[in-house]
Amino acid sequence: DTGVSQDPRHKITKRGQNVTFRCDPISEHNRLYWYRQTLGQGPEFLTYFQNEAQLEKSRLLSDRFSAERPKGSFSTLEIQRTEQGDSAMYLCASSIQGGNEKLFFGSGTQLSVL
Amino acid sequence: AQKITQTQPGMFVQEKEAVTLDCTYDTSDPSYGLFWYKQPSSGEMIFLIYQGSYDQQNATEGRYSLNFQKARKSANLVISASQLGDSAMYFCAIGGGSGTASKLTFGTGTRLQVTL
Repeated sequence: DTGVSQDPRHKITKRGQNVTFRCDPISEHNRLYWYRQTLGQGPEFLTYFQNEAQLEKSRLLSDRFSAERPKGSFSTLEIQRTEQGDSAMYLCASSIQGGNEKLFFGSGTQLSVL
Repeated sequence: AQKITQTQPGMFVQEKEAVTLDCTYDTSDPSYGLFWYKQPSSGEMIFLIYQGSYDQQNATEGRYSLNFQKARKSANLVISASQLGDSAMYFCAIGGGSGTASKLTFGTGTRLQVTL
């Protein structure tokens, strides 16, 4: 069990650029979540996948955000035309269906939009 | 909608002492789960303890215990015998009950500082 892995750890970009983050969940976990955390706040839910299907999206997820999990394993989160308000920590988590839905989180990707 | 309130932005505790971190919640779901996570400066969210709404007994995990008072809608975390490594942000969260997808709603957190 290598835990949830996220790449990159840090990303600095200029406003208007596109960025993509990757998440590798724990191998036997079929559910994968994306959260966003801004300074001084708790994480906020963005979206989640069960296997390759994206089952729920928060209204926080504007049209500029898109997430995929093509083979039900790793996931990518892309932000197009980044804005300064997108600066945040993007956290990925995974869990196994059933039971108590304990989420295992990665260390996150810190995005800074200049 | 589910909501978590953590009213203590910061707490101090001396090493080896016990500390209670407060959490109140609001939900209209009859079945739900309550979670506590620890977030050290490295940023990773570390699961600590879980309490199901229908669990009869308070959850315990090593030095962590959850003081669950359903009628008061509170789920306070008790850390016994504090250690320097316990210094971190602590988040309370609520999600769906057992077997459902856990779209967790988090509180704003409590920063715990353990002193010598």
